[in-house]
Amino acid sequence: QKEVEQDPGPLSVPEGAIVSLNCTYSNSAFQYFMWYRQYSRKGPELLMYTYSSGNKEDGRFTAQVDKSSKYISLFIRDSQPSDSATYLCAMSEGGYNKLIFGAGTRLAVHP
Amino acid sequence: KAGVTQTPRYLIKTRGQQVTLSCSPISGHRSVSWYQQTPGQGLQFLFEYFSETQRNKGNFPGRFSGRQFSNSRSEMNVSTLELGDSALYLCASTYGQGMETQYFGPGTRLLVL
Repeated sequence: QKEVEQDPGPLSVPEGAIVSLNCTYSNSAFQYFMWYRQYSRKGPELLMYTYSSGNKEDGRFTAQVDKSSKYISLFIRDSQPSDSATYLCAMSEGGYNKLIFGAGTRLAVHP
Repeated sequence: KAGVTQTPRYLIKTRGQQVTLSCSPISGHRSVSWYQQTPGQGLQFLFEYFSETQRNKGNFPGRFSGRQFSNSRSEMNVSTLELGDSALYLCASTYGQGMETQYFGPGTRLLVL
């Protein structure tokens, strides 16, 4: 069993929809939780960074962390075709710059 | 401020050869981490360097090695290439040695024939 599980999709939604992306994990030592977006043939780009449990909002993006359930989510409101990309969750125990990634969910937002 | 740069962007090698990839971090960043991305295994941590010292290593064979120079630029080397080494190799730079935002480069796409 992988430390971080993420449904690879693909997920296809109409423009304007609310998108929900999720990851579960097994390592209770994870304290730092991130969401990256990766466009085709590009490196991952950091979207959201959360320490420990709670919610964080940035524009159309909201990240939630529930450490008791070992479950993290990313919500995208008013999705746009430009949001079409692969979304990767990543986690770390801290102390070192070592990230454990989920498999990535491929999202397609169609006009 | 310039981002993370990686060279070369694309590389074709044959089995048994060795390859060296280069990464220049964002100016002022002292930590460089390397990752391998494949369709089957996803993004996997290779190793991290901070101030020319390897601080952490992932579960990869000894054929994978790296180093960091005094100007924080880093190289990774893969010896005796295997077909399964075909992947996108990404490096990420961070300012410090704690758990901070990692900025990724565009990657080097390696194809082993």
